[in-house]
Amino acid sequence: GAVVSQHPSWVICKSGTSVKIECRSLDFQATTMFWYRQFPKQSLMLMATSNEGSKATYEQGVEKDKFLINHASLTLSTLTVTSAHPEDSSFYICSAHGVPLGTDTQYFGPGTRLTVL
Amino acid sequence: GENVEQHPSTLSVQEGDSAVIKCTYSDSASNYFPWYKQELGKGPQLIIDIRSNVGEKKDQRIAVTLNKTAKHFSLHITETQPEDSAVYFCAAGSGYSTLTFGKGTMLLVSP
Repeated sequence: GAVVSQHPSWVICKSGTSVKIECRSLDFQATTMFWYRQFPKQSLMLMATSNEGSKATYEQGVEKDKFLINHASLTLSTLTVTSAHPEDSSFYICSAHGVPLGTDTQYFGPGTRLTVL
Repeated sequence: GENVEQHPSTLSVQEGDSAVIKCTYSDSASNYFPWYKQELGKGPQLIIDIRSNVGEKKDQRIAVTLNKTAKHFSLHITETQPEDSAVYFCAAGSGYSTLTFGKGTMLLVSP
């Protein structure tokens, strides 16, 4: 139980294009999903928190117009990196918690490696 | 806000030895302390967690201890194996709030 998937696992795009990353909870309803960014050999940096049906809450310093988050259903959240630039290259990871897990435990997806050329 | 310190940043042990990773936190309201294992190129995997109403929790070779008075918690891995090699992150949080992560410990287990 408590499986979270991400798609794609890796993506390469040209500078200026937009990229969408999907995060799905496969066997539970994710009332809350989190999006993290991780640079090589560093810890996880929380970008935003999204609750199903509500606007995402972004952490300080994260541009909400650049990193668009949608949590339209209890099993799917998407992160769109708009007008991507090489500095957006990173490992993006989502996590989720919800019902019937009923706890504050976060389960993570496998991550998406984004490379912007 | 919460601040989590994690030590050491790297830890090398011989197969069969024990490994201990320590974390401290600053917010006395935190009551949930998970530990994650992250292998290269993968997402973090929850390996064990503890809540503030208990002082210790074990799961086979892995144990976590919590000292709320001192605001520190530790991960103990016994009889380490090469497949235990990974980066381990501690975290602290409360209720359904966000988690604050430590900077990670790279554990290397040599055969």
